[in-house]
Amino acid sequence: QVQLQQSGPGLVKPSQTLSLSCAISGDSVSSSSTAWNWIRQSPSRGLEWLGRTYYRSKWYNDYAPSVKSRITISPDTSKNQFSLQLNSVTPDDTAVYYCARDLNFSRLDYWGQGTLVTVSS
Amino acid sequence: DIQMTQSPSSLSASVGDRVTITCRASQRINTYLNWYQQKPGKAPKLLIFSASSLQSGVPSRFSGSGSGADFTLTISSLQPEDFATYYCQQSYDVPRAFGQGTKVET
Repeated sequence: QVQLQQSGPGLVKPSQTLSLSCAISGDSVSSSSTAWNWIRQSPSRGLEWLGRTYYRSKWYNDYAPSVKSRITISPDTSKNQFSLQLNSVTPDDTAVYYCARDLNFSRLDYWGQGTLVTVSS
Repeated sequence: DIQMTQSPSSLSASVGDRVTITCRASQRINTYLNWYQQKPGKAPKLLIFSASSLQSGVPSRFSGSGSGADFTLTISSLQPEDFATYYCQQSYDVPRAFGQGTKVET
């Protein structure tokens, strides 16, 4: 059974960096049949896909154009987890953030529990 | 980028009703379409993948159909636990995109 456990602060100051981690159990971040995603949800934006990382002989990333200049998603093979960093945040980045597994570039079949991140001074 | 449009945004239904939700993609996406159910305070849950394949453990009253740009999620007989918000999502290309959601309420 795959489980994703999110961790990270729930409050970030404007202009600072949002950092979240997603620990994986029951699968490997280096699996050749999965991609590891970050998605956020807010009343104004709905469900918004932010990006993913995946391993196919080497590491790849894809990012949403809306955040591409500010986002980094990176794997940590030693801890079997992946992380999200979003720079220069504003109150508009306030949302519930989810990590999720994408099986075979096909569907998001396992999700983390969600983390409400509020951007406020 | 591909945009996903769901209709209706909300609907009122009763237990036992047949419920249909539609999703339209801004371009053809073959059958690269998934459906999720979300309840308040919870993460979305995968119901249907590849337009019509039922995810393991999901009741058979849920079904999906469609290909190209037009898709449908059907709940054959609505149960009390089915009151929730439903989202479609395309897996044809990046950036991935979700519909705006359809809230099924009593």
